[in-house]
Amino acid sequence: GQSLEQPSEVTAVEGAIVQINCTYQTSGFYGLSWYQQHDGGAPTFLSYNALDGLEETGRFSSFLSRSDSYGYLLLQELQMKDSASYFCAVRVRYGQNFVFGPGTRLSVLP
Amino acid sequence: DVKVTQSSRYLVKRTGEKVFLECVQDMDHENMFWYRQDPGLGLRLIYFSYDVKMKEKGDIPEGYSVSREKKERFSLILESASTNQTSMYLCASLEGTGGGTEAFFGQGTRLTVV
Repeated sequence: GQSLEQPSEVTAVEGAIVQINCTYQTSGFYGLSWYQQHDGGAPTFLSYNALDGLEETGRFSSFLSRSDSYGYLLLQELQMKDSASYFCAVRVRYGQNFVFGPGTRLSVLP
Repeated sequence: DVKVTQSSRYLVKRTGEKVFLECVQDMDHENMFWYRQDPGLGLRLIYFSYDVKMKEKGDIPEGYSVSREKKERFSLILESASTNQTSMYLCASLEGTGGGTEAFFGQGTRLTVV
């Protein structure tokens, strides 16, 4: 089977740094993605890691350790607009299927 | 601007009805997906298609079927709607043959079965 685990909720204040962890057990692994979803909106792509290490895109960074079946999304200089749900997703087949985690709801407080 | 369009944002159907959810993408992507999203469960894959007329079951295919007659269109069919199929349904597309890493999602269809 496939399982991904994330914390259900995280709360932080504006300007802070927050890390959202994701651990996975899947039948295949080709990469780890992160998606952001605001209430009522569609999930939108944030990042993709195929190799171990840290990928940085502006205020957001994503990390992967394949040996530990673990990754995280790091959000820096938090803004109110970052309040959303964040999903990790594992690509279990080359070019095709993604399996999503349950999502982490991030609340950014003033 | 890439786009995945789902035909309805909100639908209310009666138990036992046959329901069609339509999804169209304009990016010429090979892969298309149907997910359902429920609180605390994340996105669960119902079916996906990697080419015209090709389909594969996802994690929760029971009670659903799909159709992909044209590359840009992927339909989800609820053969006989039941109340436990009340959910948010999300369609997504992904560039194929290994090149794509970013899935594009539609805005979702919130289906209520009464």
